[in-house]
Amino acid sequence: DTGVSQDPRHKITKRGQNVTFRCDPISEHNRLYWYRQTLGQGPEFLTYFQNEAQLEKSRLLSDRFSAERPKGSFSTLEIQRTEQGDSAMYLCASSPNGEETQYFGPGTRLLVL
Amino acid sequence: DQQVKQNSPSLSVQEGRISILNCDYTNSMFDYFLWYKKYPAEGPTFLISISSIKDKNEDGRFTVFLNKSAKHLSLHIVPSQPGDSAVYFCATLGYGQNFVFGPGTRLSVLP
Repeated sequence: DTGVSQDPRHKITKRGQNVTFRCDPISEHNRLYWYRQTLGQGPEFLTYFQNEAQLEKSRLLSDRFSAERPKGSFSTLEIQRTEQGDSAMYLCASSPNGEETQYFGPGTRLLVL
Repeated sequence: DQQVKQNSPSLSVQEGRISILNCDYTNSMFDYFLWYKKYPAEGPTFLISISSIKDKNEDGRFTVFLNKSAKHLSLHIVPSQPGDSAVYFCATLGYGQNFVFGPGTRLSVLP
């Protein structure tokens, strides 16, 4: 059973550096989501892809953040010029068309020093 | 301004008893609700959902109740088991595919 996988699981970086995270959804899941979760909070929606098209973006997604899903399979989330406030767990989820249930990956924990 | 609220950050229940987790939402346009469970170092796992056309949905030991007039839903776990100890998130489908999650309630089931 290959669930949603995310890489890396942990990332420590210095302020100002760029980081990129990868998400591999469950195969044949058309929908892919990125969330950010900080301590004591629930996941906050960042962006949503339907196949390769990025259809929704949260206002939380500043211009330092960019996400891609070039072939409608895996996705990457890049944060440029990281700030300490970017420290969080970044979660990826996928779901098939017609189903609202999301299947989450284990997340990438980012620490910006 | 939180659109989905879970006012109890934590809850402790004795094994075998009922656990009741509560969730309130602000927007009456929300019409689909989900509960997720999260263990440490793992992503959230879907538990149960309910559409606004229903007021109750049951799956084994888990039942979700929806009170639309009060904009309130609750998750009942009966009987509670130690393996149910986790953080529980209430979520709703907002606009488009924008899912909105509550802050979570940490459930501890004591043996």
